[in-house]
Amino acid sequence: KQEVTQIPAALSVPEGENLVLNCSFTDSAIYNLQWFRQDPGKGLTSLLLIQSSQREQTSGRLNASLDKSSGRSTLYIAASQPGDSATYLCAVQNYGGSQGNLIFGKGTKLSVKP
Amino acid sequence: NAGVTQTPKFQVLKTGQSMTLQCAQDMNHNSMYWYRQDPGMGLRLIYYSASEGTTDKGEVPNGYNVSRLNKREFSLRLESAAPSQTSVYFCASSEASKSGYTFGSGTRLTVV
Repeated sequence: KQEVTQIPAALSVPEGENLVLNCSFTDSAIYNLQWFRQDPGKGLTSLLLIQSSQREQTSGRLNASLDKSSGRSTLYIAASQPGDSATYLCAVQNYGGSQGNLIFGKGTKLSVKP
Repeated sequence: NAGVTQTPKFQVLKTGQSMTLQCAQDMNHNSMYWYRQDPGMGLRLIYYSASEGTTDKGEVPNGYNVSRLNKREFSLRLESAAPSQTSVYFCASSEASKSGYTFGSGTRLTVV
């Protein structure tokens, strides 16, 4: 059974720091991996989608990498800002199982202090 | 630029009452999903619809039913609400089952 783990569970950094969020998964047979952002009391906003054949994706100050063989992904945030404060969720989509089912980690709660 | 729209945003039910959560997407996506989010449990799939006219159970389907009314709309029904169904419910859609997902803003449901 696929399990997705995100470390750390919470992170507090001063504004301007570069930071890395980690995601690991136990079954490497995935279609893709997606990073989301969730603000308190809000829905999920898709940040980056990495297909299984890709190694990384970039959007602005965000860069996500995927190492399928080791079951790891990282989300790199450059020059962090207070507006980046949110919970970041990693999710993988497996071969097999319920078609289309995203398996989510429990998230990393990021706080960027001014 | 609505994306995925869910109604209502908040709801309080008494145990045993029924209700339907509505979801509509305007992106012409084929696949739609219902998730619930609980503290400490993360997001879990309740039901999904890979295409218009089809629905399938996810990880936690007990106590729920769904209807894929047309390509745009996918509703979730609680026939007899229980306190264990207190949760935040999210609807999502994707162009295909292996594409990126777009989520709605959620429905906060409390069953007392």
